[in-house]
Amino acid sequence: NAGVTQTPKFQVLKTGQSMTLQCAQDMNHNSMYWYRQDPGMGLRLIYYSASEGTTDKGEVPNGYNVSRLNKREFSLRLESAAPSQTSVYFCASLKGDLYEQYFGPGTRLTVT
Amino acid sequence: GQQLNQSPQSMFIQEGEDVSMNCTSSSIFNTWLWYKQDPGEGPVLLIALYKAGELTSNGRLTAQFGTTRKDSFLNISASIPSDVGIYFCAGRRANNLFFGTGTRLTVIP
Repeated sequence: NAGVTQTPKFQVLKTGQSMTLQCAQDMNHNSMYWYRQDPGMGLRLIYYSASEGTTDKGEVPNGYNVSRLNKREFSLRLESAAPSQTSVYFCASLKGDLYEQYFGPGTRLTVT
Repeated sequence: GQQLNQSPQSMFIQEGEDVSMNCTSSSIFNTWLWYKQDPGEGPVLLIALYKAGELTSNGRLTAQFGTTRKDSFLNISASIPSDVGIYFCAGRRANNLFFGTGTRLTVIP
């Protein structure tokens, strides 16, 4: 039982390049989330998926797209990376109705 | 976005001391969660609180859901070196969690 896994762990992109961050959970949770963490800003929600087949915008969705591929996987795509997207990205999944979110180890992204 | 004010921003304490930190908001939340984050890792859930006034313990950690539903408190008793890290509060409204900016704890052996 690996919990929430994310790949890659580190990535460096040039401005304008695209990439997809992968997230998978093996806890059979319905809801999954993508956050970004910047120094002094805490965690901010980018997108979430309440269930397979649905996605919704969070607080800071601009510049990102998501895909809920199946119940296990929720990916985050940057179509044209910008330096402002340099951050640490965390994926999380939600346990039932208790609203306890469990986080992956993060992806550290640098855009130059 | 929703503003959660977490204090203090950082703490330096001696091993064995007790620690208190809090989180306040101008808005009401239905659930309060406390997380700890170690360097290079994702946040790990410590305690979840679901009712106003609720007091819950997890080992040396005790957290309370404020009676106004606008605040929450976390206490750590008899701190040890592995308590070092960043502690985040999070409040839930509807389907979203809103996070505080964290309290960075340093424990001096």
